[in-house]
Amino acid sequence: DTEVTQTPKHLVMGMTNKKSLKCEQHMGHRAMYWYKQKAKKPPELMFVYSYEKLSINESVPSRFSPECPNSSLLNLHLHALQPEDSALYLCASSGGRSFIYEQYFGPGTRLTVT
Amino acid sequence: KNEVEQSPQNLTAQEGEFITINCSYSVGISALHWLQQHPGGGIVSLFMLSSGKKKHGRLIATINIQEKHSSLHITASHPRDSAVYICAVRRGGSNYQLIWGAGTKLIIKP
Repeated sequence: DTEVTQTPKHLVMGMTNKKSLKCEQHMGHRAMYWYKQKAKKPPELMFVYSYEKLSINESVPSRFSPECPNSSLLNLHLHALQPEDSALYLCASSGGRSFIYEQYFGPGTRLTVT
Repeated sequence: KNEVEQSPQNLTAQEGEFITINCSYSVGISALHWLQQHPGGGIVSLFMLSSGKKKHGRLIATINIQEKHSSLHITASHPRDSAVYICAVRRGGSNYQLIWGAGTKLIIKP
């Protein structure tokens, strides 16, 4: 199984809502990533988890809160988002601790903030 | 100047044509990735290269470390190959951050 799954596929939320994005992989990968991608732009790295510990936070606003409950699951909790946060949110995973391995991406969650 | 440059930005070709997409970079790297993204969709990793050449089906990727250049070739192109192809490099000594090219939008007409 070389698949990274993400739910939901699409999400529309108001600026006062709280919602969560979910990512799952069963490849035994120990590094997991959240990226944000705006239209016609390359993905921007948000967070990296290694062995369920947050390793990298690329100065992301606190309205985005990541969580890694176990080695297969990665969540992104959303609260008080702004319309400019509308984007495709991609999850990825890679093998090993040192991040040198190939990243496998999920299909993404298309988020619209109204 | 961007650290990773791709050319062309857009490419339209007829089914069956041989396709070449180029990637040049200006930093020292530990690896180069080619990825594919369909409209509105997730990203698929095609190749990760640190030297030489790799082949998978109709796709071939090459890298010349001395010239800091990589190419992605598609043989016998098909409309289902229509997608954005992205080159990304992992900076040498930086083990998590990818530097992304702007992508090449490929359209294959039947």
